[in-house]
Amino acid sequence: DAKTTQPPSMDCAEGRAANLPCNHSTISGNEYVYWYRQIHSQGPQYIIHGLKNNETNEMASLIITEDRKSSTLILPHATLRDTAVYYCIVRAPAATNKLIFGTGTLLAVQP
Amino acid sequence: DAGVIQSPRHEVTEMGQEVTLRCKPISGHDYLFWYRQTMMRGLELLIYFNNNVPIDDSGMPEDRFSAKMPNASFSTLKIQPSEPRDSAVYFCASSPGAYQETQYFGPGTRLLVL
Repeated sequence: DAKTTQPPSMDCAEGRAANLPCNHSTISGNEYVYWYRQIHSQGPQYIIHGLKNNETNEMASLIITEDRKSSTLILPHATLRDTAVYYCIVRAPAATNKLIFGTGTLLAVQP
Repeated sequence: DAGVIQSPRHEVTEMGQEVTLRCKPISGHDYLFWYRQTMMRGLELLIYFNNNVPIDDSGMPEDRFSAKMPNASFSTLKIQPSEPRDSAVYFCASSPGAYQETQYFGPGTRLLVL
């Protein structure tokens, strides 16, 4: 499985956009990029995923570079409730259904 | 939909005792996953099932751990005998199936073994 690299922590002002980077330079052509987050004392929550095109849903946007070696999760208007650990995961090959969680990025949204 | 249900939410037990954690997946989901989360090791996949059949148990730490899924709506993770190093938060998740499907996590069971 491709490995991912994320900064351990980031700060963001409330109401501003939060841009969370992820490097996945060894990603394979058929692997998707997934983002989950974990708010304190809760189970992880799915946010968004993509293969090579940019994706947007009600929670966030996902920007994947053309070479697919990195991506950025964008929370357009961060709120205090977005404070959480954000995990960037490259999905295992089709033969399995496993998610391998790394250490993630702790996003602290400041008032 | 009630989401993934786990019980108990908190468990405190003494070393050597048997511990049973329970999970009810979302109805209609074909995949069920058990994870463990600790400060030292982060979030680890222990085992997962597809249509009630264990597919990959390579993450199960040792023979003291066992998991079963007797039907599509219920799974258990058992630790016997428990040890202090088993203290962790145990999450159950379910997925509708297929490769791209996302996983939906339960609230977790916080286990403390004294």
